[in-house]
Amino acid sequence: EVQLLESGGGLVQPGRYLRLSCAASGFTFSSSAMSWVRQPPGKGLEWVSSISGSGGTTYYADSVKGRFTISRDNPKNTLYLQMNSLRAEDTAIYYCAKGRDGGWNGGDSWGQGTLVTVSS
Amino acid sequence: DIQMTQSPSSLSASVGDRVTITCRASQGINNYLAWFQQKPGKAPKSLIYAASSLQSGVPSKFSGSGSGTDFTLTITSLQPEDFATYYCQQYNSYPLTFGGGTKVETK
Repeated sequence: EVQLLESGGGLVQPGRYLRLSCAASGFTFSSSAMSWVRQPPGKGLEWVSSISGSGGTTYYADSVKGRFTISRDNPKNTLYLQMNSLRAEDTAIYYCAKGRDGGWNGGDSWGQGTLVTVSS
Repeated sequence: DIQMTQSPSSLSASVGDRVTITCRASQGINNYLAWFQQKPGKAPKSLIYAASSLQSGVPSKFSGSGSGTDFTLTITSLQPEDFATYYCQQYNSYPLTFGGGTKVETK
């Protein structure tokens, strides 16, 4: 059974940083593309970033480019999102999600999410 | 960027109804379209990929169709557990983009 468990969320001041983690199990992590998707309170889903199975290819939404960095540690089966220079508009639940068939391809599994609140 | 427009943004339906949600892309995306279901306070759940392929374990009352720019999600015989918000997403090109969502509510 695929399991994705996010952690690292919390309350942080504007301009500060936070690192999210997503611990994966139940599948061959190194063969799976992964993504981060966020959802501001009461709003819709917004794609944030994706990474290939090897970690060699990454993609970012314009809203986070230059501030966020996606990475992975395949031996540890863990996905990360380093978030720097945080802004109030980054407040959201952050979900990690697993791709299918080697790429994103619509994904097939989601974690339960971790809440990030950016506020002074 | 490819814009995804869902309609309606909300709808009211009764148990047993057939429901159709549409999703339109601002440019052709072949069949690189996924549908997700989200219940209040819960993570999204993947329903359909490649416009019409059901994810493993998703009941056949859900179906998807379309190609190019126009897509539909149909739910036959709506059940209480189907009242939720549904999102489409294109993955033809980055940045990946979601529709605004369709909330299916009880009439």
